[in-house]
Amino acid sequence: AQKITQTQPGMFVQEKEAVTLDCTYDTSDQSYGLFWYKQPSSGEMIFLIYQGSYDEQNATEGRYSLNFQKARKSANLVISASQLGDSAMYFCAMREQGRGSTLGRLYFGRGTQLTVWP
Amino acid sequence: AAGVIQSPRHLIKEKRETATLKCYPIPRHDTVYWYQQGPGQDPQFLISFYEKMQSDKGSIPDRFSAQQFSDYHSELNMSSLELGDSALYFCASSSTAGPYNEQFFGPGTRLTVL
Repeated sequence: AQKITQTQPGMFVQEKEAVTLDCTYDTSDQSYGLFWYKQPSSGEMIFLIYQGSYDEQNATEGRYSLNFQKARKSANLVISASQLGDSAMYFCAMREQGRGSTLGRLYFGRGTQLTVWP
Repeated sequence: AAGVIQSPRHLIKEKRETATLKCYPIPRHDTVYWYQQGPGQDPQFLISFYEKMQSDKGSIPDRFSAQQFSDYHSELNMSSLELGDSALYFCASSSTAGPYNEQFFGPGTRLTVL
């Protein structure tokens, strides 16, 4: 079963508007970490933001914020004031930490292609 | 700031040939991961090393092997290459001393098998 589900293959947003990219996850671990990565057309994977399962507040990093709803197992990425340079593929990922280890592999969703138009 | 270095960036091989991909993690990072991303796919975990010991193994074919050396660089060796091995191969590194232990990815090696 897919551990990370991203239901939006593509999203479009106008410059300066906010956009929400959806992510739901599936795990039986109590301790886990959720990540968002950006992959521009050049191919590199850029870390954006992290949310730990025990974090009570939603994570924020500049224009990025993570809307974490633990009971719903969702971790949506919100990008405020979109810029043309935000056009890229966005991946949600999870690291399970069942034994307290933070060395675990990342499980990725299939990604959402975001296009920002002027 | 130093980033993860991967070489080569692009590699073209024929079927049944071998390939070696190299990864140099961020200094003082103690864990290295390898991922494979097929065209239009999400990255899939292959294998990881913590302090030069294999720490986890994913869907890595038996034709592939990897190791981490004393200087912490890692190599992914791929033999009997198949057309389906064409993909972007990422190396990532992380530090257990970091606040999130997030994985920092290298630029990837794009392997094309003809």
